[in-house]
This record gives sequence, C-alpha cells and structure tokens, in this order.
Amino acid sequence: QVQLVESGGGVAQPGRSLRLSCAASGFTFSIYGMHWVRQAPGKGLEWVAVISYDGSNKYYADSVEGRFTISRDNSKNTLYLQMDSLRSEDTAMYYCAKYAEGATEFEHWGQGTLVTVSS
Amino acid sequence: SYVLTQPPSVSVAPGKTARIACGGYNIGSYSVHWYQHRPGQAPVLVIHYNSDRPSGTPERFSGSNSGNTATLTISRVEAGDEADYYCQVWHSNSFWVFGGGTKLTVL
Repeated sequence: QVQLVESGGGVAQPGRSLRLSCAASGFTFSIYGMHWVRQAPGKGLEWVAVISYDGSNKYYADSVEGRFTISRDNSKNTLYLQMDSLRSEDTAMYYCAKYAEGATEFEHWGQGTLVTVSS
Repeated sequence: SYVLTQPPSVSVAPGKTARIACGGYNIGSYSVHWYQHRPGQAPVLVIHYNSDRPSGTPERFSGSNSGNTATLTISRVEAGDEADYYCQVWHSNSFWVFGGGTKLTVL
C-alpha cells in the first residue's frame, strides 16, 4: 500500500527557512519521480517543484525558483523541500506526490504538512 | 502562462448527474487529469488521460475532452462525492497547471 507521509511543517518568520520531508513506503521509491504541490488557505492547488527518479532533473514554479530546493535520498526513501527566504505568501499546506516517469499526472498524494509564515 | 478555468461551485441532488467543466485554450489537444479533494484528506486521482479511470475509481465517474472544454461527469451522485474537484494538464510553457477547483455540493 502506497504511503507518503509529509513532516517538517510549522511556523516560521518571514525570511527564515524550513525543510519539509516526505517519507515514502509501499512502492519502489527509486524508480518514481516526485512532486511538491501546495494549497494556500482558501485557494486551489499550485504545483511547486518536481524531481526525477534519480535526482538528475529538477524544475520549479516561478513563484519559488531560487528560494526552494527539491532533493531526495533514495537510500532513505525520502523526498525533501528546503524552503529559504520564506514569504507570507508561502503559507500553505504542502503535499508530496509521486508520478511515473513520462506520466503527467500526480498518481498518489500524501496528506500534507502545514507551513505558516508569520512574524 | 496556460490557464484552466473551472466554475467555483456545482450543486446536484443525490442520484442525479453532476458535470464539472474545465476550460482552456485548445484543451482538447492536452491530456486532462481530474482529482477529488475532500477537506483534511489527500487529493485522489479519479480520472487520467481525459477519460481513463484508475483502479479504485467508481464507474460513475467519467471524463471527456474536446475543443476548449474538458468535463468530469459524475453519475448517480452520492453524498460521499461531495468534495473539491480539480482539473490538471501538463503544458510545455507552464509545466503542471491546475484549474481553480470546483466545490461539488450534494443537496
């Protein structure tokens, strides 16, 4: 049974950093690409970043380019999102999601971790 | 950037058919995916590649895509179908794009 469990959310001041984690189980993590997607309060879903199965390719939404870094450790079955220079508009529930190489849909999602950026 | 437009809300009586539209320029040339998102839960893929149902999606859920509109159709609506629904495409300029979401209310 596929499980994706996000952690690391919390409250951070503007300009500070947070690192999110996504622990994967129930599937062969090392052959799947992974995304981060977020949902601000009262808003819709917004794609944030993607990383290929081996970490060799990474892409970011314009809204986070240069501030967020996606990475993965296949030996630990874990996905990460390093969030630097946080802004109030980064306040959101952050979800990780898996995808098969070549696929364009988000195949399975975690339940999310809440990030609040506030002074 | 590529934009997908959904109605904010759709209401339907139990047992009736709900149709949720997703508009986008020439969306018929893209593969559209649909997600169900209940409050406090993980989003769930219910339709991919316009009209295919992943395992676990009830047959009551179907999809179509042509021209400038994709549609998610839910037949014989049940109370448990009440949720937010999002369409999504991959676009070469905008990457992964979501519609604004539609809140389905079962009356």
